[in-house]
Amino acid sequence: DADVTQTPRNRITKTGKRIMLECSQTKGHDRMYWYRQDPGLGLRLIYYSFDVKDINKGEISDGYSVSRQAQAKFSLSLESAIPNQTALYFCATSDTGGRDTGELFFGEGSRLTVL
Amino acid sequence: QKEVEQNSGPLSVPEGAIASLNCTYSDRGSQSFFWYRQYSGKSPELIMFIYSNGDKEDGRFTAQLNKASQYVSLLIRDSQPSDSATYLCAVAGYSSASKIIFGSGTRLSIRP
Repeated sequence: DADVTQTPRNRITKTGKRIMLECSQTKGHDRMYWYRQDPGLGLRLIYYSFDVKDINKGEISDGYSVSRQAQAKFSLSLESAIPNQTALYFCATSDTGGRDTGELFFGEGSRLTVL
Repeated sequence: QKEVEQNSGPLSVPEGAIASLNCTYSDRGSQSFFWYRQYSGKSPELIMFIYSNGDKEDGRFTAQLNKASQYVSLLIRDSQPSDSATYLCAVAGYSSASKIIFGSGTRLSIRP
């Protein structure tokens, strides 16, 4: 089984619908991240969390919200999806930060299409 | 200005040659630098990290860091077709509260 699991892996939805992408991890890491990837734009940070009580906005948080339900779970919500949120979304975890920033471990990605 | 910049490519290199990938960053407080490889349709995976100025070698890969110029590079020696992928540069600050920011990636193609 994957250490970082994302559900759903693929989702097609309509404009205005509420969507939740879920991420769970068995690595025991405190830090969790949500990134989106668009062709030619690399990975852009949406939100990140260093523990259950710590949530931080990333580069592109508008239109998104997150919930850290437990150390192992970090969910991303689109309250009212719009077509330009069509992208590949990655959840990632890491063990430490700063000078000792550890490796990011990625889930397999969730491909979201908003019609 | 984007915080982390890379040439999007594609960069085409003959098999057996050296591939050179470059990255610049805007935050002078950045302290940790990473190179991730991403095959098409897959998740990124870490291949190198570097914290100090100079070179760091790991097998066929060498990461080079120049903090004064705010420049980090990745050299791949004896390039193989399996090296064909997108290479993502990522940067983090010194603080334990630092976020990790990625560049847009460089697509590398190794031609036989």
